[in-house]
Amino acid sequence: QQQVKQSPQSLIVQKGGISIINCAYENTAFDYFPWYQQFPGKGPALLIAIRPDVSEKKEGRFTISFNKSAKQFSLHIMDSQPGDSATYFCAALEYGNKLVFGAGTILRVKS
Amino acid sequence: DADVTQTPRNRITKTGKRIMLECSQTKGHDRMYWYRQDPGLGLRLIYYSFDVKDINKGEISDGYSVSRQAQAKFSLSLESAIPNQTALYFCATSGTGGIEETQYFGPGTRLLVL
Repeated sequence: QQQVKQSPQSLIVQKGGISIINCAYENTAFDYFPWYQQFPGKGPALLIAIRPDVSEKKEGRFTISFNKSAKQFSLHIMDSQPGDSATYFCAALEYGNKLVFGAGTILRVKS
Repeated sequence: DADVTQTPRNRITKTGKRIMLECSQTKGHDRMYWYRQDPGLGLRLIYYSFDVKDINKGEISDGYSVSRQAQAKFSLSLESAIPNQTALYFCATSGTGGIEETQYFGPGTRLLVL
């Protein structure tokens, strides 16, 4: 059973549009929530991360929104570009520095 | 040179064969991890090691074993490969600076078990 539920499984967005990927969790012991980006043939790489005491974190075109009471968090990619086409994974840090990953979202940005 | 390397990058094997996947890192990290990636399931932790003398089972360790030969080397073995172990395998490393330590992933090994 997936401890971190991610949706949608795939997403197609027009260039310049906003891409939104959602994640939800149940374990209130999670205390760090990173997002990883993976290009074909590569390993995942950290994109952006947030602590649960913060409601929003922005880095360039990428923003994480965090709702602690709802146990949900989301990634927003503003002005999406074809170079953003990749697989995105949300994750949560479990006790002992173990990451639990969502199932992944395949994003395609059409030019 | 890449900080985290995995060999081989691709491997085809037959059911029942023993195979080893190797991971090396030059980041000087103490912590190393093995994950498998399957479509629709994300990455799942197989084993992890927080230092040379520490080995821990992850979420899906059955059918796998590991060896931490040195701080920089962490190998994953499939003692008797089966078709449902066909997957993409990733090694990762992290430091011990605290909760916000990033995990750095290798390029992956694509394994096909026939």
